[in-house]
Amino acid sequence: EVQLVESGGGLIQPGGSLRLSCAASGFTVSSNYMSWVRQAPGKGLEWVSVIYSGGSTYYADSVKGRFTISRDNSKNTLYLQMNSLRAEDTAVYYCARDGQLSIWGQGTMVTVSS
Amino acid sequence: DIVMTQTPLSLSVTPGQPASISCKSSQSLLHSDGKTYLYWYLQKPGQPPQLLIYEVSNRFSGVPDRFSGSGSGTDFTLKISRVEAEDVGVYYCMQSIQLPRVTFGGGTKVEIK
Repeated sequence: EVQLVESGGGLIQPGGSLRLSCAASGFTVSSNYMSWVRQAPGKGLEWVSVIYSGGSTYYADSVKGRFTISRDNSKNTLYLQMNSLRAEDTAVYYCARDGQLSIWGQGTMVTVSS
Repeated sequence: DIVMTQTPLSLSVTPGQPASISCKSSQSLLHSDGKTYLYWYLQKPGQPPQLLIYEVSNRFSGVPDRFSGSGSGTDFTLKISRVEAEDVGVYYCMQSIQLPRVTFGGGTKVEIK
C-alpha cells in the first residue's frame, strides 16, 4: 500500500528548531517529486518546499533560509529541517507525493509558542 | 505567484442536489505542452486533502463519477452532480503550471442542509 507517515511535530519556542520526518511505503521517495505543504489552524493550504527526484530543492519565500528539505534514500524518508521557527510557522505539516500531490500523509502539528 | 480565487466561500446543499464551485486563476494555466495544470482536492473534516481531479477534468483513481471538472485558460469549475453526505468538507483548487511554486485557492466549504 502506498502510504506516507509524518512525525516529529510538537511544541517549540520561537527561535527553536525541529526536524519533521515523512516515512514512505509502497514507493521510492528518491524516484519522486516530494513536497511539504502546511496548513495553519483554520486556514488554507500553503506550499512550503519540494525536492525533485534529481535532488534539486525549492522553498517558499516565507521559509527560505530557515527550512531545509532532504531525503534519506536508505530509509525511504523525506525530512524538513526547520530552524529559527516563528509563531507564524504554526501549522499542520503534510508531505505529499509527485507534482499532482496525489498522495498525502496524515500530517504532523507544529506549534511555535512561548 | 499565480493567485487562485475560489467562489463561493461556502455552500449548503440538500442531499441529492447538484453543487458547483468556481476557481479563477490570475494567469492562464495552459502550458506549452498542451496540458492545463489545474487540480481539485477535497479535505474532509480531520483528514488531509485528497486528490479528486487532475489536469482540469480527469478523475483520480477511485473518485466517484458524480464529480466532474471543466474549464480552460483561467476559469474552472468543479461540479458534483448529486451531493452525498460523504462529500462534506473543504474543496481546494490548485495550479502547478508554475512548478515548483504551486498555489492553492482559498477553499470552498461544502455542508449538507
